[in-house]
Amino acid sequence: DVKVTQSSRYLVKRTGEKVFLECVQDMDHENMFWYRQDPGLGLRLIYFSYDVKMKEKGDIPEGYSVSREKKERFSLILESASTNQTSMYLCASSHRGGYNEQFFGPGTRLTVL
Amino acid sequence: GQNIDQPTEMTATEGAIVQINCTYQTSGFNGLFWYQQHAGEAPTFLSYNVLDGLEEKGRFSSFLSRSKGYSYLLLKELQMKDSASYLCVTKVGGSYIPTFGRGTSLIVHP
Repeated sequence: DVKVTQSSRYLVKRTGEKVFLECVQDMDHENMFWYRQDPGLGLRLIYFSYDVKMKEKGDIPEGYSVSREKKERFSLILESASTNQTSMYLCASSHRGGYNEQFFGPGTRLTVL
Repeated sequence: GQNIDQPTEMTATEGAIVQINCTYQTSGFNGLFWYQQHAGEAPTFLSYNVLDGLEEKGRFSSFLSRSKGYSYLLLKELQMKDSASYLCVTKVGGSYIPTFGRGTSLIVHP
């Protein structure tokens, strides 16, 4: 059974803290994505990686950075968390070939106080 | 540019048929996905259309008209568990990054 896992389902942090969200996939996918999902706004792409150590900014990269040191792992970093980063964070992966359908992790609901 | 329109919310009765429409204006369009997302959960893949026509998969069917920039998802014999958000997602040739619509929240009532 193919899987994308995320390190936490729920996370509460304080303003100014550094936050790490981890995502691991076991499907040998080349592409990995980080999204945030907010009511009424849908899924918005934060960052995309198409290979190890490669990354591209998405629609809303400000306040975030990413790391992809290994093919199966894609980390999202909030350098200094702010209350407007309270959201549901979804990681996804896809193959380079075929449909490129995305497989999503269960999501991390982050609350920044 | 990319623009996807789908209704925000729909309601339907258990056992009925519902059609969720999606129109798009996507430069370099190369295919269209439908995903289902239950509240508090991750989206899951339902269908992918690249050619015009209807693709049937059990109770769910998806239709695409490339010339009209139009797709629909048809759900038959609705069940309570079909209450979810349905996301229309377009793909552009040469890109691995899909574009998501804001989703249609479907409420199935008894």
